[in-house]
Amino acid sequence: GESVGLHLPTLSVQEGDNSIINCAYSNSASDYFIWYKQESGKGPQFIIDIRSNMDKRQGQRVTVLLNKTVKHLSLQIAATQPGDSAVYFCAENPAYYNAGNNRKLIWGLGTSLAVNP
Amino acid sequence: DADVTQTPRNRITKTGKRIMLECSQTKGHDRMYWYRQDPGLGLRLIYYSFDVKDINKGEISDGYSVSRQAQAKFSLSLESAIPNQTALYFCATSDPRRQWEQYFGPGTRLTVT
Repeated sequence: GESVGLHLPTLSVQEGDNSIINCAYSNSASDYFIWYKQESGKGPQFIIDIRSNMDKRQGQRVTVLLNKTVKHLSLQIAATQPGDSAVYFCAENPAYYNAGNNRKLIWGLGTSLAVNP
Repeated sequence: DADVTQTPRNRITKTGKRIMLECSQTKGHDRMYWYRQDPGLGLRLIYYSFDVKDINKGEISDGYSVSRQAQAKFSLSLESAIPNQTALYFCATSDPRRQWEQYFGPGTRLTVT
């Protein structure tokens, strides 16, 4: 079946270190892969996306890598700060040719990132 | 002001009661969604609406109904609440051209006793 899973349910890092959050996916027919951040008591917030024809995309302190050969997605956070503590979700957007107009995001289960001062 | 608002933020109700959760958005998006979040299960889609006249079931629609009163308003109803509907509920919106970039409300924590 189709799934978006996570290698690590929890990740603990020291403030200032780099964080890497991983995600495995099984649906090859997705045109975008996405990362969301959910802070405690809030709704998920879009961080960054990457189109399926790209390998890497950088944002502000974040980098997303896509390895289609092994169906792996990762989010790298540089110089992790206490404000980065949250649950991070990966998601994939099925391509139009595969799902038509009724495309629905496929969500991962989330990784909890804890930043130690 | 928040782009997506949900009311109430917290609700405790009894088994068998009817309850409505409301969502309003000021982003001007056509697409709106209702999700349910349970610990360890991530986000699961209950219903979604592409516009006022287009409403679709998600993966867990049983026991729920929705109403899209206007482009900006999308409400979720539990006709007869049961304890396993205790969860965190989120409303979200998106632009159809970037449907994967969704904007979420702050959530409603619902407890059914």
